[in-house]
Amino acid sequence: DAGVIQSPRHEVTEMGQEVTLRCKPISGHNSLFWYRQTMMRGLELLIYFNNNVPIDDSGMPEDRFSAKMPNASFSTLKIQPSEPRDSAVYFCASSFGVGQTGNTIYFGEGSWLTVV
Amino acid sequence: GQQVMQIPQYQHVQEGEDFTTYCNSSTTLSNIQWYKQRPGGHPVFLIQLVKSGEVKKQKRLTFQFGEAKKNSSLHITATQTTDVGTYFCAADKLSFGAGTTVTVRA
Repeated sequence: DAGVIQSPRHEVTEMGQEVTLRCKPISGHNSLFWYRQTMMRGLELLIYFNNNVPIDDSGMPEDRFSAKMPNASFSTLKIQPSEPRDSAVYFCASSFGVGQTGNTIYFGEGSWLTVV
Repeated sequence: GQQVMQIPQYQHVQEGEDFTTYCNSSTTLSNIQWYKQRPGGHPVFLIQLVKSGEVKKQKRLTFQFGEAKKNSSLHITATQTTDVGTYFCAADKLSFGAGTTVTVRA
């Protein structure tokens, strides 16, 4: 079975540009998570969806960040406008269920974003 | 989500030695999961603990869930270079600790 698929794997963009990261969760999983990982802040949960509905977006840093999940097999994380401090690895992950009753979280390989 | 603290943040180990990393929470957890992330890779699930006092083993790795379900530990025996990476605990599958980054000297 294919795992969580993310694109792009690497992106270098200029400050002020819009960045869109894409994710295809594992088929059958109904929960999707976006994480950001940096050396300074570690692995941070940005937002998660359950059955395509955003449940908790308290981790989204600011209004420049937005996430959508139009259907069960696709999600996007958008940064507009991007800033150098957004440089990080962005992981998408999926599971069946969420939180205490959910199952193992499977991570994609990450999107490595550099904003210059 | 639950907040979990991991110690130590870094662990530099001589090959062949044992070490333990700890995960602590101020509140009772329903479950705890452990993940490993190799350098340049993504977190990969290792194990889940659910029951109070539960102990699970995977070859040289021993995972334990505290009696009060507020802490957990990962003990690695006879460390090998393949153990290099960052080990994360996750509380209730949502809140990840800061991780323990392990390096091994041959």
